[in-house]
Amino acid sequence: GAGVSQSPSNKVTEKGKDVELRCDPISGHTALYWYRQSLGQGLEFLIYFQGNSAPDKSGLPSDRFSAERTGGSVSTLTIQRTQQEDSAVYLCASSLGVVSNYGYTFGSGTRLTVV
Amino acid sequence: DQQVKQNSPSLSVQEGRISILNCDYTNSMFDYFLWYKKYPAEGPTFLISISSIKDKNEDGRFTVFLNKSAKHLSLHIVPSQPGDSAVYFCAALAYNTDKLIFGTGTRLQVFP
Repeated sequence: GAGVSQSPSNKVTEKGKDVELRCDPISGHTALYWYRQSLGQGLEFLIYFQGNSAPDKSGLPSDRFSAERTGGSVSTLTIQRTQQEDSAVYLCASSLGVVSNYGYTFGSGTRLTVV
Repeated sequence: DQQVKQNSPSLSVQEGRISILNCDYTNSMFDYFLWYKKYPAEGPTFLISISSIKDKNEDGRFTVFLNKSAKHLSLHIVPSQPGDSAVYFCAALAYNTDKLIFGTGTRLQVFP
């Protein structure tokens, strides 16, 4: 597709349930990133995939969070046993290679609300 | 440990005037800096970047200034337009990495 696509755009879930968030990066982009923006906060890095390398998971806040990227394309972020503090906008981004000049291209995000 | 800081959560500017958004950083290993703009319910979009070997980069109405000794950068928008009303994020990239570190954002409102 022309841009980064995320689904669903909105998700309301009950505390304790598991959720899956999906990201379709721009075709051909080798790098994929997950960030989240909590209310009043900046963009918090979660995880980064680059080609076939092991992902950089250093930003995942707890072991309830995991992500995978299948076939070097689509990525799924899974949150198990959701808590209210997980409520945030989850943003996916992709890049072709050199990030320095043009940064990433972001999707519109998934707004997750845990009730 | 907030490595990239935007100390002004909001800014209000009259149309036609200059908007100045500020950003401070702590990590001397950052060698690229980027600004993103974000409208409600949309993802952030890239605006302008600057390398640490420069002190200024200009693109139309947008200019970014970098003061390495002060670990400070600023985004100038001249003249400001109502369509510029958005949240602006400063981001930094350390040498030999591809992971952007973002600030907390500044909400700019441009009024007529």
